[in-house]
Amino acid sequence: AQSVTQLGSHVSVSEGALVLLRCNYSSSVPPYLFWYVQYPNQGLQLLLKYTSAATLVKGINGFEAEFKKSETSFHLTKPSAHMSDAAEYFCAVGYGNKLVFGAGTILRVKS
Amino acid sequence: EAGVTQFPSHSVIEKGQTVTLRCDPISGHDNLYWYRRVMGKEIKFLLHFVKESKQDESGMPNNRFLAERTGGTYSTLKVQPAELEDSGVYFCASSQEPPWPGGTDTQYFGPGTRLTVL
Repeated sequence: AQSVTQLGSHVSVSEGALVLLRCNYSSSVPPYLFWYVQYPNQGLQLLLKYTSAATLVKGINGFEAEFKKSETSFHLTKPSAHMSDAAEYFCAVGYGNKLVFGAGTILRVKS
Repeated sequence: EAGVTQFPSHSVIEKGQTVTLRCDPISGHDNLYWYRRVMGKEIKFLLHFVKESKQDESGMPNNRFLAERTGGTYSTLKVQPAELEDSGVYFCASSQEPPWPGGTDTQYFGPGTRLTVL
């Protein structure tokens, strides 16, 4: 069965610092992987997705994620955090016709 | 282009009452999904419509939940009677093509309906 583990329910970084949000997945087939972001009072917005075309995936707002099969990981990074990045981030794996989500990581950006 | 919309944004009801949530997908999207997030837990799949047909309802918790999609456009999710454990945020998503296998279409999510059962 597919599953997703996001390490750290809360992550706090200083403005300008590196953002690293961790995601490990379990999948019995080659995975389709996604990162979504939810800003306060808004819906889930797709940041990026991996569909086996390239292991390093670039998304919106300066985020990127690297697919590492040997580590079953799909960590999300951004070189320099901005206050506007404060939100909840969800990693998900595609399974059939559905998305299987991790528990989410709340990112706090300190000024 | 309008995104996925959901109504209401919030609903507070008493245990035993009935609540109906509505989702309007992006125009032209045949695939419509319902997900739910119970407080502090993962977002979990409830069901998938292709046009007006239920493709997969394996995630529906029990028979107190009834989803419909009239004419393949908007969808409703009715909870009757509501129980305390039904509280959470209900998300709707839509996509143009089934995402798997073969396709990699994105699921576009609405803002969710926050349901509180007292």
